[in-house]
Formats: sequence, C-alpha cells, structure tokens
Amino acid sequence: AQSVSQHNHHVILSEAASLELGCNYSYGGTVNLFWYVQYPGQHLQLLLKYFSGDPLVKGIKGFEAEFIKSKFSFNLRKPSVQWSDTAEYFCAVNGLGSGNTGKLIFGQGTTLQVKP
Amino acid sequence: EAGVAQSPRYKIIEKRQSVAFWCNPISGHATLYWYQQILGQGPKLLIQFQNNGVVDDSQLPKDRFSAERLKGVDSTLKIQPAKLEDSAVYLCASSLGSLGWRETQYFGPGTRLLVL
Repeated sequence: AQSVSQHNHHVILSEAASLELGCNYSYGGTVNLFWYVQYPGQHLQLLLKYFSGDPLVKGIKGFEAEFIKSKFSFNLRKPSVQWSDTAEYFCAVNGLGSGNTGKLIFGQGTTLQVKP
Repeated sequence: EAGVAQSPRYKIIEKRQSVAFWCNPISGHATLYWYQQILGQGPKLLIQFQNNGVVDDSQLPKDRFSAERLKGVDSTLKIQPAKLEDSAVYLCASSLGSLGWRETQYFGPGTRLLVL
C-alpha cells in the first residue's frame, strides 16, 4: 500500500538551530515528492517539490530537501531556523502508481515550534 | 491571483444532521480535489474532479458523502447524515491542468467541521 511516514511528530528548536525533518515513503513506481507547510491560521502551501533531475531541491524561505531513491526518503532541511518557521510540515507523494490522477498521499505531519 | 475559496470556515452540527461545503477553485483550474484532514493526521483524498467528471472517488464514503462539480467550476461536498467521526477539516484544492501527478495543488483555507 502507498504510504508516507514522518518520523518526528513534534520538534522544538531554538532560533538559529539547524533543522532536518524525516520523510520516508512506500510507493511502487516513479514518484513525485512534495513538502507542504501550514503556518498558524493559514492554508497549506507548497514549500518545494521534486519531479526529476537533481535530487537536491531548493524551495522557498531557505528550505531544501534531498531525494534519496535507495532509501525512499525525502528529508527536509534548513541550516538556520527562524521563529517565523513555526508551522506544521507535511510530506506528500504521488506518482504513476496512482494512475496519473495526481492523488497526494500525505504523511501525518510534523509540528515545528521555534523558540525565540 | 485569487486563491481557492471555501465556505463556511467553521460549522458545528449535531450527529445525523446534514451539512454542505462549497469550494471555488482558482480561475481556469481544471482539476479539483476534496481532502479530509482529521486532527493529528495528514489530509486524505475524498474525491477528485477533472472539469465536471469524477476521476477518483475510491475513498469517499458514498453512503453518506456526495459531491458535485457542476459546469466544471465550483464544487459542493455534502454529508448526510453526519457522524461523530466526520469531525475534521475539509480541504479543497485545485490544479491547473490534467497532467495529474505532475501538477502542483493549491489549497484553500478549509472548513472545520465539528459534529456533536
């Protein structure tokens, strides 16, 4: 069955600390990978995405993620977090296994709290 | 560009009552998705439309949930009768084309439903 697992449910960091959020997926076939973010009181928005090519992708606000096919992973990183990064982060996947429909399979989310 | 609009933002009903949610996608977007997000979980696709045709409704509880997208623009999602376990945020998303899996989905603010 297709699934996405996010290892950390709740992460607390101080400002300027480095961030890495884990994401592993189970999916047969070619995949697209996404990280979405939901800031407090706002809607889900795309942080970054991987379709093909360079496995290191850069997104908005200094975030990046690396696709490691052999590990079925797509971890999110940021070298120095800010208080404004406090949000919930969702990893998601879709691909040819879903019949090309675009159906996203989401992980359960990670709540990031950054202390000033 | 205007984003995905949803209404109402909040709804409280008693079990066995009916409720309807409305979504207006980004102008020109062919594909529309309804997701259910239960507290502590990631969003789960309920139904996907391409223009006014259903692409995927495999996870829609059809005995109580229904959805339509007349004229290929706005969409409504209805629950009748509601159960306690339907308490969740209902998210609408849209994407531009029909490539499905390689399209970025844009999310609305969601409707938070509480069933008492």
